[in-house]
Amino acid sequence: QKEVEQNSGPLSVPEGAIASLNCTYSDRGSQSFFWYRQYSGKSPELIMFIYSNGDKEDGRFTAQLNKASQYVSLLIRDSQPSDSATYLCALNQAGTALIFGKGTTLSVSS
Amino acid sequence: GAVVSQHPSRVICKSGTSVKIECRSLDFQATTMFWYRQFPKQSLMLMATSNEGSKATYEQGVEKDKFLINHASLTLSTLTVTSAHPEDSSFYICSARDFLRTEAFFGQGTRLTVV
Repeated sequence: QKEVEQNSGPLSVPEGAIASLNCTYSDRGSQSFFWYRQYSGKSPELIMFIYSNGDKEDGRFTAQLNKASQYVSLLIRDSQPSDSATYLCALNQAGTALIFGKGTTLSVSS
Repeated sequence: GAVVSQHPSRVICKSGTSVKIECRSLDFQATTMFWYRQFPKQSLMLMATSNEGSKATYEQGVEKDKFLINHASLTLSTLTVTSAHPEDSSFYICSARDFLRTEAFFGQGTRLTVV
């Protein structure tokens, strides 16, 4: 059984702060890791993906992957109220469907 | 990113009727499409995976005779919910990927309400 674990939150941060979202997974065979953002009633939007150990930066977002610890995280710098959403961690092996965590709700207060 | 269009965005139907949901990849050829279902406050649960020209592979617990999936072309997949019941009310989301990319792209989702 492949499992993706996320703290459901809510995670509350003030505007301008760094939000740190975490995800652990059980399947060591997982190869690619994704972060999606989902607003209420909407479909998920891809933020970024990572498949090598270390950090990957894209604008205000940084994904961090540690395969030895089976841990992937997403940092959001200079958080904005518009970042308030549910953040879904997902993973897969080559060619397979994404398996999603339950998501962490982020609330950024102005 | 690539564009995946899902239609309708919202549908209300009577119990016992069937509903068809379309998922189209607009600017790429989707060799694989995935169908998910999401209940309120829950994560996305994979229902089935379909490859163009092949029968869909359903996840455990998903009734293939109730949720009919057709992936007849590289740009279109359909999900038909047959003999819908109120417990089928949910948010259905398709996702598509081509053979070149790691990531999959999502349609806008369909909110199905069975009354």
